[in-house]
Amino acid sequence: QQQVKQSPQSLIVQKGGISIINCAYENTAFDYFPWYQQFPGKGPALLIAIRPDVSEKKEGRFTISFNKSAKQFSLHIMDSQPGDSATYFCAASTGSASKIIFGSGTRLSIRP
Amino acid sequence: DAGITQSPRHKVTETGTPVTLRCHQTENHRYMYWYRQDPGHGLRLIHYSYGVKDTDKGEVSDGYSVSRSKTEDFLLTLESATSSQTSVYFCAISEGTGGGYGYTFGSGTRLTVV
Repeated sequence: QQQVKQSPQSLIVQKGGISIINCAYENTAFDYFPWYQQFPGKGPALLIAIRPDVSEKKEGRFTISFNKSAKQFSLHIMDSQPGDSATYFCAASTGSASKIIFGSGTRLSIRP
Repeated sequence: DAGITQSPRHKVTETGTPVTLRCHQTENHRYMYWYRQDPGHGLRLIHYSYGVKDTDKGEVSDGYSVSRSKTEDFLLTLESATSSQTSVYFCAISEGTGGGYGYTFGSGTRLTVV
């Protein structure tokens, strides 16, 4: 049962462009939506997170957009750089849960 | 990754043999998790622990067992390794539950079952 659906599976963006990764969830009890970034040979690392009481959160070039009514959220990477090339995972959890549910991941490649 | 180490980093084992992977943390976090990562499946939870000797199953727990006798150590055992268990295994730790508490992941163990 996939509770968090992520797309696309892979993405190629030119340097300086905008990278957009989308996720959709089913469980309306989810109240925490983090994004993780993973470089080859490393474990995932927390990048940015949002709660459903706000529609957008920005940290530097990374922005999460959240649409509660549509049960969708997305990661936007502005001015994408080759160093952003990595696998990105969206995720979701509830306040009472002991675990985070991850999407299937998006492999992002930024072409110079 | 600071505060969490996994061992071994790489292992090749034969079908039918038992294998134990170790996760060690120095952060004194209560919650520890074992995930496996496979192409197209993302990260899937195997087992997790919410305290010493307190563990529970995740979504892909068949063929795996865990133990946590100390706060700092969380062991994952493949009772009789199969080729379908070839994967990259990640341990994660968390200070609290659910919202607001992100995970810190280890660097992973690449396991190959031949």
